[in-house]
Amino acid sequence: NAGVTQTPKFRVLKTGQSMTLLCAQDMNHEYMYWYRQDPGMGLRLIHYSVGEGTTAKGEVPDGYNVSRLKKQNFLLGLESAAPSQTSVYFCASSRTGDSSGANVLTFGAGSRLTVL
Amino acid sequence: GDSVTQMEGPVTLSEEAFLTINCTYTATGYPSLFWYVQYPGEGLQLLLKATKADDKGSNKGFEATYRKETTSFHLEKGSVQVSDSAVYFCALSRNTNAGKSTFGDGTTLTVKP
Repeated sequence: NAGVTQTPKFRVLKTGQSMTLLCAQDMNHEYMYWYRQDPGMGLRLIHYSVGEGTTAKGEVPDGYNVSRLKKQNFLLGLESAAPSQTSVYFCASSRTGDSSGANVLTFGAGSRLTVL
Repeated sequence: GDSVTQMEGPVTLSEEAFLTINCTYTATGYPSLFWYVQYPGEGLQLLLKATKADDKGSNKGFEATYRKETTSFHLEKGSVQVSDSAVYFCALSRNTNAGKSTFGDGTTLTVKP
């Protein structure tokens, strides 16, 4: 029971390079999310998806793109990396509310990205 | 919009001490409230939750009560252990908003033997 798997776990980029972070979940969850975590700033939502083929902007979407071609996968792309995008990125997924009506998130282990 | 405010850290306690981490929220209606915990090098995981006013969430000796009148969801534990050292996040979400969650900034707890 893998849950949410993120790849890669670590990556170092140079300014202007591009890359894609992959998130895969095996729980048949409808919702998927990408967050970034920065010291003292909690988690901020980048983009999210409410189902296969759909995506929407979160709180801090600039400089990122996403795609959800398959229900189990949610990709986060950086077209031209900038040092301000140095962060730890977390993917999460959820059902459309559990038996109590709460939307509980299941997180991946994180991807640490450094942009030089 | 929705917001969550946690007490500033870091918090350092001795083993078996009493823990309180304050959390207040700003939101209309009745969001669900959560505490997530992040151990070093790991992702966040659900610690406990509450979905309506006066509900008490509990898990692993931790408790928090949904207080609508004070818009609070303070985390407590009667006797902390070294293994409780982690970062704790208070959060809220609404099922009507694509389940998007709003997080506090996190509180780092260190428990010393």
